[in-house]
Amino acid sequence: SQTIHQWPATLVQPVGSPLSLECTVEGTSNPNLYWYRQAAGRGLQLLFYSVGIGQISSEVPQNLSASRPQDRQFILSSKKLLLSDSGFYLCAWRPGLDGEQYFGPGTRLTVT
Amino acid sequence: SQQGEEDPQALSIQEGENATMNCSYKTSINNLQWYRQNSGRGLVHLILIRSNEREKHSGRLRVTLDTSKKSSSLLITASRAADTASYFCATAGGADGLTFGKGTHLIIQP
Repeated sequence: SQTIHQWPATLVQPVGSPLSLECTVEGTSNPNLYWYRQAAGRGLQLLFYSVGIGQISSEVPQNLSASRPQDRQFILSSKKLLLSDSGFYLCAWRPGLDGEQYFGPGTRLTVT
Repeated sequence: SQQGEEDPQALSIQEGENATMNCSYKTSINNLQWYRQNSGRGLVHLILIRSNEREKHSGRLRVTLDTSKKSSSLLITASRAADTASYFCATAGGADGLTFGKGTHLIIQP
């Protein structure tokens, strides 16, 4: 069966520090991968998606970037965090071009 | 931008009652999906309804879709305490990600 992992589960970082969040999927190949951010009490905002290795599409101009170095690995990064980067970051995968998405457990990021 | 808008934002009912949540969206869709999120956790997919479908059932869940009104509803019958969660509708237009609403926070009173 397929599983999706995210780490770390929680992170507290000072303003101006770098960020690296990792997401990996097991039990499938060539998944579509997604990064979402959820601000407190709000819905999810799509940040990036990838349909293959090295292919990244950005939905919202911001202080973040994403990379997909391997088929089942998706990384969210920042060179210098802002207070507004705080939130709950969720990685998701989808087996095809349509259909339901499967979400990881999330990373709660607090920028201080 | 967020396309889906759930209504109500919060709903509190007694255990055993039915809960109905509504979702409206703005653009054409391939399908509409409903997800549940327990506090501080990831989202769990509940049900998907395609644009050419009008109604779909899964256990105690019933989803309707009216593409002419760009709206959907989620009905949870015979609610249980474990149904307490936030519920989100999400629309899919293509190969990119989902567009989520802000969610309905459902509380089931024992």
